Amino acid sequence: KQEVTQIPAALSVPEGENLVLNCSFTDSAIYNLQWFRQDPGKGLTSLLLIQSSQREQTSGRLNASLDKSSGRSTLYIAASQPGDSATYLCAVPSGTYKYIFGTGTRLKVLA
Amino acid sequence: ETGVTQSPTHLIKTRGQQVTLRCSSQSGHNTVSWYQQALGQGPQFIFQYYREEENGRGNFPPRFSGLQFPNYSSELNVNALELDDSALYLCASSLGLEKVDTGELFFGEGSRLTVL
Repeated sequence: KQEVTQIPAALSVPEGENLVLNCSFTDSAIYNLQWFRQDPGKGLTSLLLIQSSQREQTSGRLNASLDKSSGRSTLYIAASQPGDSATYLCAVPSGTYKYIFGTGTRLKVLA
Repeated sequence: ETGVTQSPTHLIKTRGQQVTLRCSSQSGHNTVSWYQQALGQGPQFIFQYYREEENGRGNFPPRFSGLQFPNYSSELNVNALELDDSALYLCASSLGLEKVDTGELFFGEGSRLTVL
């Protein structure tokens, strides 16, 4: 049974810091992993999708890495800004049709 | 390109009532998945529809049912509402191939259901 854990649960940092969010999963037989951002009361915005054949993906100040063998992914945010404040969720597929989500990391970037 | 849209955005019901939530998938996508997100939790998979057929179901009772239409839009119906059904209901569309959803998930803004 696939389980996803995200650490830390919450994080508060001053503006400008580089930071790392962690996601671990128990079943390494995945074909992709997706990172999302969620603002309070809103839907999920896709940030990065990493296919199982890839080690990392980059989009602007975001970089996500995937290590299937150790069951881990990290989301690196460079030069954090107050607008980055949100909850960040990772999701991995379980079987052929559903995704399992972590409970997220609540990030607050202080101006 | 039109994104995923959901309606209504907010609604309040009482215990025992029935509710229908609607979702229009992103242009070009043939698969719709529904998730329930309780406060402070990650989304939980309810079911998925691929080309108008249910393609998989999570651990939700039969009073949660759905439909997908020929234009790939979808409905989620919940009968006999309970207090614990209060949550954000999220619809995600993707491009599935032969019932295997390998594509990126794109979510709508969700429907916030409150059951009193």
